[in-house]
Amino acid sequence: KQEVTQIPAALSVPEGENLVLNCSFTDSAIYNLQWFRQDPGKGLTSLLLIQSSQREQTSGRLNASLDKSSGRSTLYIAASQPGDSATYLCAVKTNAGKSTFGDGTTLTVKP
Amino acid sequence: DAGVIQSPRHEVTEMGQEVTLRCKPISGHNSLFWYRQTMMRGLELLIYFNNNVPIDDSGMPEDRFSAKMPNASFSTLKIQPSEPRDSAVYFCASVNMGQRAGYTFGSGTRLTVV
Repeated sequence: KQEVTQIPAALSVPEGENLVLNCSFTDSAIYNLQWFRQDPGKGLTSLLLIQSSQREQTSGRLNASLDKSSGRSTLYIAASQPGDSATYLCAVKTNAGKSTFGDGTTLTVKP
Repeated sequence: DAGVIQSPRHEVTEMGQEVTLRCKPISGHNSLFWYRQTMMRGLELLIYFNNNVPIDDSGMPEDRFSAKMPNASFSTLKIQPSEPRDSAVYFCASVNMGQRAGYTFGSGTRLTVV
């Protein structure tokens, strides 16, 4: 059974700082890994999707990496802004088609 | 595309009443997922459909919950009778499995059972 862990559960940084969010998973037989952002009271917005054959994906100030052998993915946010404050979730899709979500990291970027 | 559309956005109902949540997936997506999110449990997969057929309903908490997908453009999640512990945000997501794409989530239905 796939287990997904996100550390830390909460993170507070000053504006402008670069930061890394971590996602680890126990079963390396994955189909893809997806990072989402969720604002309070809102739905999930997809940020980046990494296929099992890829090592990283970039979108603007965001960079996500994938290391299947070690069961880890990181989401790097450059030059953080107060608008980046949200909960970030990673979802690992197994070859069976289901995704397992982590509990998320709640990020607060202070002006 | 308007994305995954869920209705209603909010639902407040009395314990014992029937609740029906609705979802319209993105056109062309062949898989649909129902999730429930609470503070205590995070995101839980309830059931998912592939080509309108339920594939895995092991996450459905009990017989009070049922889901249908009569066609490729519509799905319902029904709770009957509802209980206060069913209060949560219910999300629907769709994906085209064949294109190795990621999920697209709806905005969710916030259900409160009093």
